[in-house]
Amino acid sequence: AQSVTQLGSHVSVSEGALVLLRCNYSSSVPPYLFWYVQYPNQGLQLLLKYTSAATLVKGINGFEAEFKKSETSFHLTKPSAHMSDAAEYFCAVRRRGGSTLGRLYFGRGTQLTVWP
Amino acid sequence: DGGITQSPKYLFRKEGQNVTLSCEQNLNHDAMYWYRQDPGQGLRLIYYSQIVNDFQKGDIAEGYSVSREKKESFPLTVTSAQKNPTAFYLCASSKRDNKNQPQHFGDGTRLSIL
Repeated sequence: AQSVTQLGSHVSVSEGALVLLRCNYSSSVPPYLFWYVQYPNQGLQLLLKYTSAATLVKGINGFEAEFKKSETSFHLTKPSAHMSDAAEYFCAVRRRGGSTLGRLYFGRGTQLTVWP
Repeated sequence: DGGITQSPKYLFRKEGQNVTLSCEQNLNHDAMYWYRQDPGQGLRLIYYSQIVNDFQKGDIAEGYSVSREKKESFPLTVTSAQKNPTAFYLCASSKRDNKNQPQHFGDGTRLSIL
């Protein structure tokens, strides 16, 4: 089965500081990679996705993520945190090929707190 | 606007009772999914369906059942066999040939035990 690891279940930053949320996957073939955000009592909203066209992917709300094959990572960053970024963030992967019928495998999530 | 509608938003279950969570989508997606979310555990897949009248068990299917009689609808029944049903339930959908296509999510149903 695919494995996705999000290092750090909680991350706290000051408003205006760099946001870095970590995601590592475990597969020999790079999977399709996604980052989602979840606000309290809501569903998940897609932030960005990696499809192999470019290693640096830009998403919504000023977020971006860089795919590094050598490190099997897809970390999410934002140069300057805003109070509205406080939410839970999930990294997810989908295997390329095979018969997994399109299912996603999710990390356990990282709760981002932004201090004023 | 197209999207996924989950209802009700809050649901309470008595001991020994079955309850059904509704999920409807108007995105014309073939694939639909049910997830359970508990604090600190991420999303765990309960059931998924790629086409009408077909579905597969996910990682935690015990105590749950689904049907897929229509493309737009994928209801989830939480049976009395599910001993710890209190959780946040999320429904999602995607295109069938969905390689790099994301899943789209509803706003969830929070189920609690009375």
